[in-house]
Amino acid sequence: NAGVTQTPKFRVLKTGQSMTLLCAQDMNHEYMYWYRQDPGMGLRLIHYSVGEGTTAKGEVPDGYNVSRSTTEDFPLRLLSAAPSQTSVYFCASVSATHADTQYFGPGTRLTVL
Amino acid sequence: GQNIDQPTEMTATEGAIVQINCTYQTSGFNGLFWYQQHAGEAPTFLSYNVLDGLEEKGRFSSFLSRSKGYSYLLLKELQMKDSASYLCAVTDSNYQLIWGAGTKLIIKP
Repeated sequence: NAGVTQTPKFRVLKTGQSMTLLCAQDMNHEYMYWYRQDPGMGLRLIHYSVGEGTTAKGEVPDGYNVSRSTTEDFPLRLLSAAPSQTSVYFCASVSATHADTQYFGPGTRLTVL
Repeated sequence: GQNIDQPTEMTATEGAIVQINCTYQTSGFNGLFWYQQHAGEAPTFLSYNVLDGLEEKGRFSSFLSRSKGYSYLLLKELQMKDSASYLCAVTDSNYQLIWGAGTKLIIKP
């Protein structure tokens, strides 16, 4: 039981490049979330999903796409990276029947030059 | 707008007690969470309050007053490993988590 896994752990991109941050969970959780965390700010929700085949926008969705084709996977795509997207990205999952705990992945530290 | 306030930084002494406050203004309320986050790591769950009162879990306790939009996290018998950021988060009426910026707790010997 690996919990929530994220790859890569670190990445450096040039402005305009695209990439996909991977997130997978093996707990059969219905809900999955992508957050970004910047110094001095709280976690901000980018996109989330309440089940396979569904996605919804969070607080800061611009410049990001997501999909949820399986229960396990919730990839985050940066379409054309910008320096403002330099951040630490966390994926999290929650069980719909035990919604009192979010389980976080280890995070991806992304730098856009 | 939705807002969660907590102190930016606090300092305490090993073995002592510290209280970290959190006030919130959100559109609806469906629960309040406290998470611990060590530098460079992911947040880990500490506590969850949905009803008023005190929840105790070992050295950590969390209190909630919904009428005042207020919570605190109480840490007793502080240890050096408790040096971390403590994040307060509230679930709003849409069941989305709104996060505070976190309180960095520094423990001194």
